[in-house]
Amino acid sequence: AQSVSQHNHHVILSEAASLELGCNYSYGGTVNLFWYVQYPGQHLQLLLKYFSGDPLVKGIKGFEAEFIKSKFSFNLRKPSVQWSDTAEYFCAVNGNYQLIWGAGTKLIIKP
Amino acid sequence: EAQVTQNPRYLITVTGKKLTVTCSQNMNHEYMSWYRQDPGLGLRQIYYSMNVEVTDKGDVPEGYKVSRKEKRNFPLILESPSPNQTSLYFCASSLSLGGVSYGYTFGSGTRLTVV
Repeated sequence: AQSVSQHNHHVILSEAASLELGCNYSYGGTVNLFWYVQYPGQHLQLLLKYFSGDPLVKGIKGFEAEFIKSKFSFNLRKPSVQWSDTAEYFCAVNGNYQLIWGAGTKLIIKP
Repeated sequence: EAQVTQNPRYLITVTGKKLTVTCSQNMNHEYMSWYRQDPGLGLRQIYYSMNVEVTDKGDVPEGYKVSRKEKRNFPLILESPSPNQTSLYFCASSLSLGGVSYGYTFGSGTRLTVV
């Protein structure tokens, strides 16, 4: 069955720490991969996406993600987090006409 | 501006009183969907529509109805709301070609409380 697994439900970091959020998927078709962010009290917004080409994709606000096909992974990274990165992060992969979602990772940045 | 518009943003209602949450998109997307978001449960799909007059149940369709008479609109109807439908609801639309989704655009959400 198609699925997306996000390894951590909660992550707490100090400002300036480096971030890596794990995402693994299982899907047999053409893969489009996404990371969405939901800031407190807001709707989900697209952070970055991978469709094809360079497996290292850069998104908004200094985030990047690397698609590793052999590991079925699409981990999100940021070298130095800020307090304003406190949010919930969702990984998703395209399914048949729809997206399949991970359960989300809540990131809390301590000032 | 390309967007998905949901209304209302906040709604408090009583058990059993029919309500409709509207959703409209201006991107000519074929695919539209409704999700509910509850603490600890992530996003759960209620209904989705691949095109006009084509709707399908998602993971949690009980107690909800939808319709897709026009491409741009996808209202969510609660015929007889109950307290367990208190939640945050999101509408989303997507360009989908050949069964492949190119990512969702989300509405701003509707926080529904049923008392």
